[in-house]
Order: sequence, then structure tokens, then C-alpha cells
Amino acid sequence: GEDVEQSLFLSVREGDSSVINCTYTDSSSTYLYWYKQEPGAGLQLLTYIFSNMDMKQDQRLTVLLNKKDKHLSLRIADTQTGDSAIYFCAGRSGGSYIPTFGRGTSLIVHP
Amino acid sequence: NAGVTQTPKFQVLKTGQSMTLQCAQDMNHNSMYWYRQDPGMGLRLIYYSASEGTTDKGEVPNGYNVSRLNKREFSLRLESAAPSQTSVYFCASSDHPSGSDNEQFFGPGTRLTVL
Repeated sequence: GEDVEQSLFLSVREGDSSVINCTYTDSSSTYLYWYKQEPGAGLQLLTYIFSNMDMKQDQRLTVLLNKKDKHLSLRIADTQTGDSAIYFCAGRSGGSYIPTFGRGTSLIVHP
Repeated sequence: NAGVTQTPKFQVLKTGQSMTLQCAQDMNHNSMYWYRQDPGMGLRLIYYSASEGTTDKGEVPNGYNVSRLNKREFSLRLESAAPSQTSVYFCASSDHPSGSDNEQFFGPGTRLTVL
């Protein structure tokens, strides 16, 4: 099955860009997701990218997909303190509708 | 719309006690899921229900049972709680039409401590 890996922590200064990286193992992954979890809350879908795309942009968020290296990244421009949260990468293999989640990256934004 | 609701929000049990975690969704979704979240482990799937009347094991089903009571409700039961089941439990739902992005909607979680 799918295995998804991501680093556990990232610390950035307010106003800088944040880049959260993720690698996955299943080359047949059709959808790749980024979920955000704020303290004390459940996960909320931020964005997703379909496997036939290389990039997706949505306001301050940019998702890059490198299918050859099975690498996914989430860039947050002009990071704000409200972006402090845990960010989960998830992948969904072909034939399965259930995503596999990574361990989550804790993003800490300091002034 | 309330989305996905879970009760209770917090619970403390003693080893060997039983309890049921309740989950309901008002989005008319077909599929529902139970996950547990442990520090450094991310989300692990316990059980899921693709549609009303069906349930299947996920990655970590041991020690748990589920019931898909109707399309709206999906409960998780711990028959004899163990300290290893101390965790945050999330219920989620999704529409599950074929070919879609199948976004999952999560509840706020139940924080369970087993002493």
C-alpha cells in the first residue's frame, strides 16, 4: 500500500515563505492532498492535486508535484501566525478511495 | 449544517471499562471513517464504512468494534479499554462518488484517556 513520509517540524518567521515537503511510494496515486489541523480541531482539506498536474495555485498556496521523484510540496507565501498548525500530506492510490496520511508537519510561525 | 459531530469531546476511562464514541454527519455522505491520532504517528484508520450497511477493518482494528447505525451515524465501541487506546479519535465522512477527489470532512475529535 501507500506510504507517505514528511518531516515533523518546520519553523519560519512571519512574512517568509514556508515549504512543507512530502514523499510517497505508490506511483499509481491519483490524488494527493494537503490537510490542515489547527490546535484542538479536526483536519480540514486545504487543497489537493490530481496526478496529471504538476502545479496548482490557490491564493497563497502553491502545490508542486514531481511524479518522477514521487515528491509533493506545499508552499505558503507570506506566512502568518494564523498558519501555525499541523499539515498532513495524504495520498490516494488508484483503485482505493481511502487516503493514506503522513505523520504531519508542525509549522511554527514566530514574529 | 453542523458537518461532522462527535460525542463526547473528552473521556477518562479505567482499564477494562467499555464505552461508545458517537459520530453523526448531516451532509448525506455515503462513507464514514474512524481514525486515531497519536503523537508522531499521524492518523491511522481503525474502521470504515463505504456505505450504509457495510463496515471494513482499517490499519489498526484490534480492540474496537463499529456500527453503521444508519446513513448519518457511525459509532466506535471499545469493549475493554486498555492504556494503549489512549488517543484522540476522529470521525470523518466523504461522499465517495467514483472519480472524484473524495474530500474527507472531519469531526472535532474525542480525547480519550485510559488509566
